[in-house]
Amino acid sequence: AQSVTQLGSHVSVSEGALVLLRCNYSSSVPPYLFWYVQYPNQGLQLLLKYTSAATLVKGINGFEAEFKKSETSFHLTKPSAHMSDAAEYFCAVRRVDSSYKLIFGSGTRLLVRP
Amino acid sequence: DVKVTQSSRYLVKRTGEKVFLECVQDMDHENMFWYRQDPGLGLRLIYFSYDVKMKEKGDIPEGYSVSREKKERFSLILESASTNQTSMYLCASSKQGAGWTEAFFGQGTRLTVV
Repeated sequence: AQSVTQLGSHVSVSEGALVLLRCNYSSSVPPYLFWYVQYPNQGLQLLLKYTSAATLVKGINGFEAEFKKSETSFHLTKPSAHMSDAAEYFCAVRRVDSSYKLIFGSGTRLLVRP
Repeated sequence: DVKVTQSSRYLVKRTGEKVFLECVQDMDHENMFWYRQDPGLGLRLIYFSYDVKMKEKGDIPEGYSVSREKKERFSLILESASTNQTSMYLCASSKQGAGWTEAFFGQGTRLTVV
């Protein structure tokens, strides 16, 4: 069965520090992988997606993620955190049985300290 | 600007009430989704619709039903609300097509059942 695991329900960084949010997946076929961001009291917004092209994917707001097949990982990074990055981040994988449905991880809340 | 609009941001209902959550999209998307978001569990799919009057059960359909009489509108119905249905409900829509297409989310409805 497909699944997504996000390590760490909360991550706290200082402003200007590196952001690293971890995501591991399991899938029987080459996956489509996504990161979504949810700002307080808002819906989800797509940050970036991997669809079997380049393994390093650049997204909005300076975020990027690297697909590593050998590690079954798709970690999200940003070189320098900004206060406005404080939000909840969800990793997701496209279902094998339906190209329109996603399986979401449990989410990681990013806290940015001044 | 693309938009998915959920009719209420906050709702408080009593146990046993019939509850309607409404969602409207203005992007002429074929697919519409209802998710439930709970802390530590991420997003879980309740129902999916791929066309007018067509629906599929998601991962947690028990206690819910849906209605899609028009392409732009997708309603989630709690036939008899219970306290364990207290949650954040998110509606999303996406276009059908080859490969994968992005899903756009509404701002969510926070439902409290007392």
